[in-house]
Amino acid sequence: DTEVTQTPKHLVMGMTNKKSLKCEQHMGHRAMYWYKQKAKKPPELMFVYSYEKLSINESVPSRFSPECPNSSLLNLHLHALQPEDSALYLCASSQVVGLAAQSPLHFGNGTRLTVT
Amino acid sequence: QQQVKQSPQSLIVQKGGISIINCAYENTAFDYFPWYQQFPGKGPALLIAIRPDVSEKKEGRFTISFNKSAKQFSLHIMDSQPGDSATYFCAASTGGGNKLTFGTGTQLKVEL
Repeated sequence: DTEVTQTPKHLVMGMTNKKSLKCEQHMGHRAMYWYKQKAKKPPELMFVYSYEKLSINESVPSRFSPECPNSSLLNLHLHALQPEDSALYLCASSQVVGLAAQSPLHFGNGTRLTVT
Repeated sequence: QQQVKQSPQSLIVQKGGISIINCAYENTAFDYFPWYQQFPGKGPALLIAIRPDVSEKKEGRFTISFNKSAKQFSLHIMDSQPGDSATYFCAASTGGGNKLTFGTGTQLKVEL
């Protein structure tokens, strides 16, 4: 089983809904990431948090709002999404940002999001 | 410059055979090259990784071959098993960082 836990596993939401995706890790990692993955495509980086501070935003639309309440938790708040936002949303963590060889990414199993 | 090109898109191998997936890059600043394995309904999992100061790294049945001058690297899966059937992504990053550039993925099927 993965050490990065994501909830819910599946989510269906309407375009006017507000929902949140949650991610938790207890490996003591200080870097956490959100990725988006469309079917048969590679993961695309959305956000990076380092020591609970947002360090990278890959020009993601404001209808996606990340939050890192503490070093173990990462949320992604969703509002007014579009059907094209339907995808697998993956959370990942690493010991720190950088030094990838010593601090590889650990991915969760994702939340399958469907926007209707 | 930031792209990592991966081939083939899909691959069918007989059980016990060798699976070979290739990747090529342009950005000479890339200095970390991991391979991820992803099963349906699961997140990617790190399989094996290499730095450009070595030409080959082997872990069990999985080997990365790295050709710095050609800017290419490949994954070899020896004695392929049906349980290896998954999607494989190569990736690369610069400055030892975690901002990975992924290849397009290879869907591997190992048949009995």
